[in-house]
Amino acid sequence: KAGVTQTPRYLIKTRGQQVTLSCSPISGHRSVSWYQQTPGQGLQFLFEYFSETQRNKGNFPGRFSGRQFSNSRSEMNVSTLELGDSALYLCASGTDTQYFGPGTRLTVL
Amino acid sequence: QKEVEQDPGPLSVPEGAIVSLNCTYSNSAFQYFMWYRQYSRKGPELLMYTYSSGNKEDGRFTAQVDKSSKYISLFIRDSQPSDSATYLCAMYDFNKFYFGSGTKLNVKP
Repeated sequence: KAGVTQTPRYLIKTRGQQVTLSCSPISGHRSVSWYQQTPGQGLQFLFEYFSETQRNKGNFPGRFSGRQFSNSRSEMNVSTLELGDSALYLCASGTDTQYFGPGTRLTVL
Repeated sequence: QKEVEQDPGPLSVPEGAIVSLNCTYSNSAFQYFMWYRQYSRKGPELLMYTYSSGNKEDGRFTAQVDKSSKYISLFIRDSQPSDSATYLCAMYDFNKFYFGSGTKLNVKP
């Protein structure tokens, strides 16, 4: 079974721009979660989607948004990028456990 | 108080040593416990998954859960340089995951 895939793997943007990250979960998994990981803050939960509905949300500003499609693929969008948004963005699928993708490393200049 | 506490390390041991990694938690409702291994610049990889109290062994790895003390451990026997990574504990309750901040392990040849 193929694992969680994320695209792109690396991204460089400038402040004020917006970015869209994509995630394909493990086949059959209906839950997709997004996390931000930084050296200082560790792994922080952004949101979770289940069957196209946002089921849980972390404490991030409204600039961070997401959606899930009928095939369970998910996208995450960050608008008006700030320097502090530089991080590894991880997608995970699964319900009572999380299977992570390789992440998208976003650098904001 | 954080839901999950984990000593960030770093922990440095010689090859062949037994490694003990630990997490404490505050929510007595947690039933599912996980350990992840994360190599530098990669996504976390699920190592061990346990339900409720007790021990679970998989090769050189043993996960231990003590719900009465709200304490979980991961033991690595005969540690290898390839075990050098950051280890994150995680817990699950009501559709939400809670992660420790990770312990960085360095196994010296």
